[in-house]
Amino acid sequence: GESVGLHLPTLSVQEGDNSIINCAYSNSASDYFIWYKQESGKGPQFIIDIRSNMDKRQGQRVTVLLNKTVKHLSLQIAATQPGDSAVYFCAENKGQAGTALIFGKGTTLSVSS
Amino acid sequence: DGGITQSPKYLFRKEGQNVTLSCEQNLNHDAMYWYRQDPGQGLRLIYYSQIVNDFQKGDIAEGYSVSREKKESFPLTVTSAQKNPTAFYLCASSLAQTGIYGYTFGSGTRLTVV
Repeated sequence: GESVGLHLPTLSVQEGDNSIINCAYSNSASDYFIWYKQESGKGPQFIIDIRSNMDKRQGQRVTVLLNKTVKHLSLQIAATQPGDSAVYFCAENKGQAGTALIFGKGTTLSVSS
Repeated sequence: DGGITQSPKYLFRKEGQNVTLSCEQNLNHDAMYWYRQDPGQGLRLIYYSQIVNDFQKGDIAEGYSVSREKKESFPLTVTSAQKNPTAFYLCASSLAQTGIYGYTFGSGTRLTVV
């Protein structure tokens, strides 16, 4: 079964708010994590990644936090905009050569003006 | 521009037919992957290939087949043995075999059984 999942299937926020999307993983051997954004009818797009030797990584308006103690990953989006409305997936790699990323079920973020 | 191209964007299949989905990349990536996505679901791995002429089954390989005769191409055939093929199919590629650099995805093929 899947070892990556998201706590909430949907999240609704107001424009300008900060959004936090959560993800739990179960495999302690996972050493690489990625967040993807998927707009309707399109393929997922890379947002940000983080390796297991880091706790936090920042990009443009996005921050990923990794808590290895509780196997939790989160994506924070600052000043959420209507264009951020999409489905967000976390994915993990188990650190084994020749394996593929495992994806969670996704959180649908809806941003209202 | 480099990228990964899936075709067709929409595909209709009659029951009992085999259909082949195309995936081509010019990113010089070694690894390629096929995922299936159902409404409200995450991405489930069908097949993946780390190098030419080699591929491995994913979690839901039954009813599907692939080939990897060229580095650039990784076509997926949905056979009549796949009982519920209606879904959105995504192809991806990555630079490193572990996928450590993340995937580049195509824009998907939506397959509908009529």
